[in-house]
Amino acid sequence: DQQVKQNSPSLSVQEGRISILNCDYTNSMFDYFLWYKKYPAEGPTFLISISSIKDKNEDGRFTVFLNKSAKHLSLHIVPSQPGDSAVYFCAASQAGTALIFGKGTTLSVSS
Amino acid sequence: DGGITQSPKYLFRKEGQNVTLSCEQNLNHDAMYWYRQDPGQGLRLIYYSQIVNDFQKGDIAEGYSVSREKKESFPLTVTSAQKNPTAFYLCASSMWGELFFGEGSRLTVL
Repeated sequence: DQQVKQNSPSLSVQEGRISILNCDYTNSMFDYFLWYKKYPAEGPTFLISISSIKDKNEDGRFTVFLNKSAKHLSLHIVPSQPGDSAVYFCAASQAGTALIFGKGTTLSVSS
Repeated sequence: DGGITQSPKYLFRKEGQNVTLSCEQNLNHDAMYWYRQDPGQGLRLIYYSQIVNDFQKGDIAEGYSVSREKKESFPLTVTSAQKNPTAFYLCASSMWGELFFGEGSRLTVL
């Protein structure tokens, strides 16, 4: 049973527009959420995180929103750039446990 | 430079052979992890270790073994018991929550 779900396998966006990647989770004990970006044949790189005591965290063009009641988080990228094209993984954990990853969403940004 | 080093980057193995993937970190992190990535499957946890000489099974540990004799090193052995070993393997380490990943090792079983 998947605890972290990314229901959209892919997303296509035009350069300059907003990209919104979604993630749902089932375990209400998760208290830390992260987004990773991955290019083919490379390890994932950390993008942004949020703890369960917050509902928003912003870092430059990237903003993560957390809706605990809906067990939903989203990553907003504004403005989107062609270099943002990659696979984005949502991950979650509860204190002291390993991260659980979603299956990823492939973002394609066209110029 | 601080980081995580995985080797080899590419590895070919015949069926029935064991193979060991190396993972070394110089970040002084306590915890280390092995994930496997398959197309459409995301990252699935194989084993993790939160301290030297201790490790726990992840979601897909069958057919794999690990050791954690030193803080810096967390090698993964893919045994002949692993039914579908061809995959991209990722090692990671962490101190507080955020994982830092290596570049990955692609194993192909011929």
